[in-house]
Amino acid sequence: DAMVIQNPRYQVTQFGKPVTLSCSQTLNHNVMYWYQQKSSQAPKLLFHYYDKDFNNEADTPDNFQSRRPNTSFCFLDIRSPGLGDAAMYLCATSRAKTEAFFGQGTRLTVV
Amino acid sequence: GQNIDQPTEMTATEGAIVQINCTYQTSGFNGLFWYQQHAGEAPTFLSYNVLDGLEEKGRFSSFLSRSKGYSYLLLKELQMKDSASYLCAVTAGNKLTFGGGTRVLVKP
Repeated sequence: DAMVIQNPRYQVTQFGKPVTLSCSQTLNHNVMYWYQQKSSQAPKLLFHYYDKDFNNEADTPDNFQSRRPNTSFCFLDIRSPGLGDAAMYLCATSRAKTEAFFGQGTRLTVV
Repeated sequence: GQNIDQPTEMTATEGAIVQINCTYQTSGFNGLFWYQQHAGEAPTFLSYNVLDGLEEKGRFSSFLSRSKGYSYLLLKELQMKDSASYLCAVTAGNKLTFGGGTRVLVKP
């Protein structure tokens, strides 16, 4: 059974139109991460939560926001997607300082 | 900040051994992970080193030297399905940061 679920697997959005990606977990992990991964590059950390504590990477654009309404769910909001935001977005969860489990990712296309 | 370096690409022959090196500089180091990622898929966990030494898991082994900021992943008895990217990742606090990844191509 999938433990970290990302919806949708593929998302097409228009340039400038807000889009939300979702992630849910059944592992009851207290840490949740959002990564952006572009072709042939490593995953780039956008932000992470430790419980409700939100940690934003210094170079994450303001265009990217996140919400974690409860332990199980986390959302990535892209307020005004640009062509450069087309990428795979990966959600991961972990207990503190242990291995992270990844969802299957959402591939975002901006048209 | 964190700095994690690995070679970009390596090629090896089926049945052989390949060693992927990773060097890192970070404050507040907790542990080092290795992940495998096939094209278009999410990373999958391979190994975790917290203390110095070698961790062995079947055909895969990982080594850590915290004083040198160095790790390697050893893949033995290479199979064609091992062609993938291998990502070194470091935790500091609750933050998991990846290196650039090493693409391994296994040839017949």
